[in-house]
Amino acid sequence: DTTVKQNPRYKLARVGKPVNLICSQTMNHDTMYWYQKKPNQAPKLLLFYYDKILNREADTFEKFQSSRPNNSFCSLYIGSAGLEYSAMYLCASSSGTGGSDYTFGSGTRLLVI
Amino acid sequence: QQKVQQSPESLTVSEGAMASLNCTFSDGTSNNFRWYRQHSAKGLEVLVSIFSDGEKEEGRFTAHLNRANLHVSLHIREPQPSDSAVYLCAVNTNAYKVIFGKGTHLHVLP
Repeated sequence: DTTVKQNPRYKLARVGKPVNLICSQTMNHDTMYWYQKKPNQAPKLLLFYYDKILNREADTFEKFQSSRPNNSFCSLYIGSAGLEYSAMYLCASSSGTGGSDYTFGSGTRLLVI
Repeated sequence: QQKVQQSPESLTVSEGAMASLNCTFSDGTSNNFRWYRQHSAKGLEVLVSIFSDGEKEEGRFTAHLNRANLHVSLHIREPQPSDSAVYLCAVNTNAYKVIFGKGTHLHVLP
């Protein structure tokens, strides 16, 4: 199974409420990534885990949290959702250093109201 | 930092006519380039990965890479209405980071 699975496919959240998105992969990839994609914009890397080490992009450092309790699972957490968080959130994984097996999940579409 | 630009922003072709999409990047030292597509409200589907100058074909999709010219293109042979989607160019900029272009909206008319 060479897929990255994301749950849920669609998420509706209220402004100010927390949001938790889930991603899993069974390829034993050591790196997992979270991207944000808005219409007519390029996907933007939010953060990634290499093994158990979390790396967050400087401009989104305070907006998103993540956890990776084991190799297969990674979550993205928004503590207090704002309208600007409405977007498609894409999880990806790869072995080693962004290699040829970079694989994306189907995404979670988040709508904040 | 690596910059990735795609053109055109939008492209309309008739079913069966070749569709050509362009992508330019600013750092020619990258060696990992991919084309993805995204159908409305869905995830990213990888179409072609190319790692060296030249041509790489995957079914009806062919990528051409010319790192000296900082250019990678995607050609879609015999496009169908179901190929209508946003096509994204992606360049690995370092060990972990992938930089995307904003995409080309392709519309294939029946």
